[in-house]
Amino acid sequence: EAQVTQNPRYLITVTGKKLTVTCSQNMNHEYMSWYRQDPGLGLRQIYYSMNVEVTDKGDVPEGYKVSRKEKRNFPLILESPSPNQTSLYFCASRPTGTSGYEQYFGPGTRLTVT
Amino acid sequence: DAKTTQPPSMDCAEGRAANLPCNHSTISGNEYVYWYRQIHSQGPQYIIHGLKNNETNEMASLIITEDRKSSTLILPHATLRDTAVYYCIVRGGISGGYQKVTFGTGTKLQVIP
Repeated sequence: EAQVTQNPRYLITVTGKKLTVTCSQNMNHEYMSWYRQDPGLGLRQIYYSMNVEVTDKGDVPEGYKVSRKEKRNFPLILESPSPNQTSLYFCASRPTGTSGYEQYFGPGTRLTVT
Repeated sequence: DAKTTQPPSMDCAEGRAANLPCNHSTISGNEYVYWYRQIHSQGPQYIIHGLKNNETNEMASLIITEDRKSSTLILPHATLRDTAVYYCIVRGGISGGYQKVTFGTGTKLQVIP
């Protein structure tokens, strides 16, 4: 089944403790992206990647890192999480091209930083 | 990036057509309009997209005005399962080679029995 998977789905952690949220897709998509969703603010893009070793900042990259060493994986790294990073996080992927912009989203990761 | 403006909420009677408007007055000539929806806190789901012609698929129809400054998503026979937040987005701007994406806050559609 074609899908985007995220792990963990739920995470409660403390301020300053480094964490990684994994994202993997099995559709051989070049493009992958991370979003966070907060009440009243909608979906905001954190980082995106056009292909392996190619990443770029979205609208809210501060406090986050990403890497794209393999096509299928795009982990989101919080080196020193803070309470304002408590949010619902989504990973997405799609093939690149001039059109066909259908993004496939993962199920989400609910992160709480205390 | 072209920004979009949507009403924050709408109601629709079950079985009736739901018409969701979106304003994108600063859209560029080569930018597409896309619609997604998000049911509760699940991952957003793609619905439809278009450039300048009207489009229809099994889920919905997309009507884009001739000047491309606005569009309407039409769910022809809304059901309770269509209750969701609907996002209208346009393809990202020059930064990142048109791959940056901006979602707004969307329209919360409530389908009423």
